Amino acid sequence: GAGVSQSPSNKVTEKGKDVELRCDPISGHTALYWYRQSLGQGLEFLIYFQGNSAPDKSGLPSDRFSAERTGGSVSTLTIQRTQQEDSAVYLCASSPGGAGGYTFGSGTRLTVV
Amino acid sequence: GDSVTQMEGPVTLSEEAFLTINCTYTATGYPSLFWYVQYPGEGLQLLLKATKADDKGSNKGFEATYRKETTSFHLEKGSVQVSDSAVYFCALSLSGGYNKLIFGAGTRLAVHP
Repeated sequence: GAGVSQSPSNKVTEKGKDVELRCDPISGHTALYWYRQSLGQGLEFLIYFQGNSAPDKSGLPSDRFSAERTGGSVSTLTIQRTQQEDSAVYLCASSPGGAGGYTFGSGTRLTVV
Repeated sequence: GDSVTQMEGPVTLSEEAFLTINCTYTATGYPSLFWYVQYPGEGLQLLLKATKADDKGSNKGFEATYRKETTSFHLEKGSVQVSDSAVYFCALSLSGGYNKLIFGAGTRLAVHP
């Protein structure tokens, strides 16, 4: 597609429920990244995909967080047993590689109540 | 570890004032440097970048020069407009690997007529 598409744009969930966040990167972009933007924490790196593999998962905050990417395209970030501190905007970005900047999606605003 | 430090906000200016947002970095190797902008209600957009020392990135009247000797990448604009009101993020990407971005905390700019 023309840009990075994320869905849903907003998600309100009850504490303890699981959520799935979706990212459609720009076609042909081999690299895909997830970041989290929360008040007081700035932008935190979560995970990086090159193709379907994730060589860097160092930013995932706990084992409740997981992500996968299929077909070198769509990625899903799953948060199990959500907690209130998971409330944030989850941003996805893709890149063709090299020293260029990313293209970010508009994010999914997750609110855990 | 690698990090980016930005001038704390909010920065409040009158229209046509001169803008400087300071950014310094700590990194091993030779990073690429970026400024991203987030307008109200929108996603992150790449504003400008520089990939090596003494490079100047520029876009929309904004400029930043990669200063290796002072490890800085300060953002400047000669005459700000109300439409420049946004949050500005300085970031670095380490060389020799994939483009994991390390962000500063962001600086909110408010420009008044």
